[in-house]
Amino acid sequence: SQQGEEDPQALSIQEGENATMNCSYKTSINNLQWYRQNSGRGLVHLILIRSNEREKHSGRLRVTLDTSKKSSSLLITASRAADTASYFCATARAQKLVFGQGTRLTINP
Amino acid sequence: DTEVTQTPKHLVMGMTNKKSLKCEQHMGHRAMYWYKQKAKKPPELMFVYSYEKLSINESVPSRFSPECPNSSLLNLHLHALQPEDSALYLCASSQGKGENTEAFFGQGTRLTVV
Repeated sequence: SQQGEEDPQALSIQEGENATMNCSYKTSINNLQWYRQNSGRGLVHLILIRSNEREKHSGRLRVTLDTSKKSSSLLITASRAADTASYFCATARAQKLVFGQGTRLTINP
Repeated sequence: DTEVTQTPKHLVMGMTNKKSLKCEQHMGHRAMYWYKQKAKKPPELMFVYSYEKLSINESVPSRFSPECPNSSLLNLHLHALQPEDSALYLCASSQGKGENTEAFFGQGTRLTVV
């Protein structure tokens, strides 16, 4: 069963704007990961945040984790057309990597 | 080499056919996964292999049969599938040591059952 819920389900913004996606989950985790998927093909790992971390940065990506609220957010700054994709959070626990419902992000030129 | 290679990319099979999906990685990863993804849905975990042994089966119907011949290869044998099994099948691998680490995904096999 999928334990992650993401919102919004779809997000459309102008190039150059920031995009924020949220993820909530239900059980305890070892870490939480974010992935990108273009056009229904393979997923690409973006960033991993461990359960004892609160914030992590990688290039234009910023991820936060609040284990008390069982939630995480992904911020993409200065968006580009190439960022158009589906974004999934995934919770990792006991060999399982379970994906949330995903956010479809569209960047308009 | 940070690639996970899946073959074939596309597969059309009848409900009475037997076919196999193949997955290969040469990153020395000891955990390998099969996921099923329907259109506009997230990937759903099917099987996990850890050190070449099946460690997780998410109550997948027996018409799907996984196999891990060695540490680099993962197969998914298909038999007597139903049209609703049409989906994108994704293979992934990760280090498999200790705490879960990032997973590397193949490009998937798009399966159509007719």
